[in-house]
Amino acid sequence: DIQMTQSPSSVSASVGDRVTITCRASQGISSWLAWYQQKPGKAPNLLIYAASSLQSGVPSRFSGSGSGTDFTLTISSLQPEDFATYYCQQANSFPPKWTFGQGTKVEIK
Amino acid sequence: QVQLVESGGGVVQPGRSLRLSCAASGFTFTTYAVHWVRQAPGKGLEWVAVISFDGSNEYYADSVKGRFTISRDNSKNTLYLQMNSLRAEDTAVYYCARDRDVWGSYRWLDYWGQGTLVTVSS
Repeated sequence: DIQMTQSPSSVSASVGDRVTITCRASQGISSWLAWYQQKPGKAPNLLIYAASSLQSGVPSRFSGSGSGTDFTLTISSLQPEDFATYYCQQANSFPPKWTFGQGTKVEIK
Repeated sequence: QVQLVESGGGVVQPGRSLRLSCAASGFTFTTYAVHWVRQAPGKGLEWVAVISFDGSNEYYADSVKGRFTISRDNSKNTLYLQMNSLRAEDTAVYYCARDRDVWGSYRWLDYWGQGTLVTVSS
């Protein structure tokens, strides 16, 4: 199975900061990667798919990049509603054997 | 608007069975693949299973293969997860979620339900 490793596990940041989260796949997954945001007690919310495509309705301060094994989620200017946990997910395999990263918690500094 | 509403969670003893349901509305259910994803308390996300738009194909995570069965009733716009031989490690919030692409690309999930908690304990 493809393993997904996120770093850091947590980050403390202030409103207005630029935040970058990294996700590394144990083998190449082309651009078959998504990013989700999850707030406490809520379901995840799709932010980015196909590594860099912004899901409809998601603010443009969120962006994704990368291909192969290394990927990045960037929040250009952190807003109060962005404090949450972020997960990457690979969708390279078929039949589906999706795996998620362990999550990155973005906390208030 | 798209809505997915899970039900059927609860406390169950190890080795017993439970069936979860997910009622869909606000979109053409018969044209989308749908998934189950779970999250153990305080842990990350784990994909569980997916069923194709017409129910002809099912795929499972290795951790549940042979114990869980995903199914759907397109006449009722409802997704199911039959869980047998439950174990303590199956304790989690179970989410149903829609495949983002019509007919199912099996890549990403754009709408999720609120989840239903399954606790496996004696």
